[in-house]
Amino acid sequence: GDSVTQMEGPVTLSEEAFLTINCTYTATGYPSLFWYVQYPGEGLQLLLKATKADDKGSNKGFEATYRKETTSFHLEKGSVQVSDSAVYFCALSDYGQNFVFGPGTRLSVLP
Amino acid sequence: NAGVTQTPKFQVLKTGQSMTLQCAQDMNHNSMYWYRQDPGMGLRLIYYSASEGTTDKGEVPNGYNVSRLNKREFSLRLESAAPSQTSVYFCASTRSGANVLTFGAGSRLTVL
Repeated sequence: GDSVTQMEGPVTLSEEAFLTINCTYTATGYPSLFWYVQYPGEGLQLLLKATKADDKGSNKGFEATYRKETTSFHLEKGSVQVSDSAVYFCALSDYGQNFVFGPGTRLSVLP
Repeated sequence: NAGVTQTPKFQVLKTGQSMTLQCAQDMNHNSMYWYRQDPGMGLRLIYYSASEGTTDKGEVPNGYNVSRLNKREFSLRLESAAPSQTSVYFCASTRSGANVLTFGAGSRLTVL
């Protein structure tokens, strides 16, 4: 079946550091790819998405590019802030019905 | 503009007790989902409902039942709670073809 693998962390960075969270996937079809973010005490919310190969999703300074040849969707941000501290989930969806999530990566940003 | 509303937010049960987690969405979404979140395991799908009147098992359905009461509401029932069901439960919904999930704030359940 479909699956998502991501670095589990925790990841600890200083403010203004560069962030990369790796995500790779296995899927039989051509899934859409997502990054969701979960702030403390809250539910998950969509951060960005990409629906086809070479698409770049972006939001709030975060970016991720759908790489079909390496089955990857790595999350990057050039300069993290304390307010970015959260858990980040990579996910995929086939046909918009079934969603598969990675284990989540906890990010802590220190001032 | 409530989105997805889950109740209760917190619950403590004793082994063998039963309870129902309630979920309602006001976005006219067709599909609804129940996930559980455990440390290091991400989100695992318990049950989902593609439309009113239909439900299907997900990855971890054992020990749970669901009811899609109408288009808005999707409840999750634990008939005889076990400590292994201690978790945070999330309800989510999506519109057909939208390909994006909207989540509730979660329900933290502890089974002693």
